Amino acid sequence: TQLLEQSPQFLSIQEGENLTVYCNSSSVFSSLQWYRQEPGEGPVLLVTVVTGGEVKKLKRLTFQFGDARKDSSLHITAAQPGDTGLYLCAGDEETSGSRLTFGEGTQLTVNP
Amino acid sequence: NAGVTQTPKFQVLKTGQSMTLQCAQDMNHNSMYWYRQDPGMGLRLIYYSASEGTTDKGEVPNGYNVSRLNKREFSLRLESAAPSQTSVYFCASSPQGTVDPIYGYTFGSGTRLTVV
Repeated sequence: TQLLEQSPQFLSIQEGENLTVYCNSSSVFSSLQWYRQEPGEGPVLLVTVVTGGEVKKLKRLTFQFGDARKDSSLHITAAQPGDTGLYLCAGDEETSGSRLTFGEGTQLTVNP
Repeated sequence: NAGVTQTPKFQVLKTGQSMTLQCAQDMNHNSMYWYRQDPGMGLRLIYYSASEGTTDKGEVPNGYNVSRLNKREFSLRLESAAPSQTSVYFCASSPQGTVDPIYGYTFGSGTRLTVV
C-alpha cells in the first residue's frame, strides 16, 4: 500500500485545458514537495508547502496543502505541451525525519 | 555543472552477477539517498545516509548494500543480482539531515539496470 496516493495516474489533455492532480494520505506531513520528471532525467523540485492550508503559485501552476497536512493538489491553468512530464508528490512524514516518501506519480501529456 | 553524477547510465547484468552503482555530489550536501523507480510505483527508498559515516535502511533494502565512502560519494552494491532488481536507480542528495524546504532533493539522471 502506497503511503501517498496520487490521482489520476495518467492524464492526456489538449493544449489550453485546465487540470488538477491530487496527492492523498492518511499520514500527517511536516512538508510536502512536488517534483517534475522528464524522460531520462531525475525529478526536479517545483515547490515545497509547509503550512496547512498554504497555497503557492508558480506561473500557471497552483499548489495547495490541505488544512490537516495530509493531502495536496496541483492545478495547472491553460496547459501547454511543455508541461508534459511525470509529476510526483513527496511527503516528509512527521515521524520519518530526513526521508521523503514519494507518490506513484501522474504522467501528464499535453497535446498541441 | 554542479550536481549529482551517477555511473554507469546503463547496465545489463546476468542473474547472480554483482555490481556497484556509483554516485557523487559536489554541492557539499550532508545527506544522500538511493531510490529505485518502477512503473506505477513511484520512487522507493533503498538506503540513505543522513550524514557522513552513517547509513540506514529505507523501504526496500533487501538485496542491496551501501557505502558512504566520504562526504561526496555514496555507492550502492548488488551482491547477487536478480531479475526483480531490474529498475531505474536514482541517487539524490540534500543539504542537511532533514528535508530541506527550499532545495529539496537534487537527483542524478539515473542508472537503467536490466537483470536477465
